[in-house]
Amino acid sequence: GEDVEQSLFLSVREGDSSVINCTYTDSSSTYLYWYKQEPGAGLQLLTYIFSNMDMKQDQRLTVLLNKKDKHLSLRIADTQTGDSAIYFCAAVNDMRFGAGTRLTVKP
Amino acid sequence: ETGVTQSPTHLIKTRGQQVTLRCSSQSGHNTVSWYQQALGQGPQFIFQYYREEENGRGNFPPRFSGLQFPNYSSELNVNALELDDSALYLCASSPRQGAYGYTFGSGTRLTVV
Repeated sequence: GEDVEQSLFLSVREGDSSVINCTYTDSSSTYLYWYKQEPGAGLQLLTYIFSNMDMKQDQRLTVLLNKKDKHLSLRIADTQTGDSAIYFCAAVNDMRFGAGTRLTVKP
Repeated sequence: ETGVTQSPTHLIKTRGQQVTLRCSSQSGHNTVSWYQQALGQGPQFIFQYYREEENGRGNFPPRFSGLQFPNYSSELNVNALELDDSALYLCASSPRQGAYGYTFGSGTRLTVV
């Protein structure tokens, strides 16, 4: 099975909030990341969180970390059509990616 | 700041041939990782180099090899190409073994025919 697990698809309406969830296995990493990939492009670092934090807010992005359950989530407020992409989470020591979550934003 | 640059952007090779892909790391980054991303899948970790030494390897056969140079640029070499090697190859660099995240290049699209 995957070292990182994410739901494959998420569809929301423009202006709604999106929540993308991730379960990881590497408990020793000091950093956990969220990346965005648009069609035909490389991965763009969106945000990261230190493992000693529970939450990090960065403009429209909120990252929540539950170390006990090895669960990471990314909330995008006021989701826009430009947010449509594939989102990946990863842990720094491991840097293994799951299949990603394809976010579709409908106007 | 130039970011991570990969070359070439596209490449077509014949089964059995060898290929070399190149990556220029972002300025100040001493760690580089290579990934293979097949269509519709997440990136699969191939290996990582830190200060010219291999620092970790994924589940790829020995015909996938790499180099990191003193200026921290890097190469990925693949021998005896197979059809399944067709994928987007991504290079990512970081200032210190992943601290503060990796910066990815746009990738090289390799097609093996």
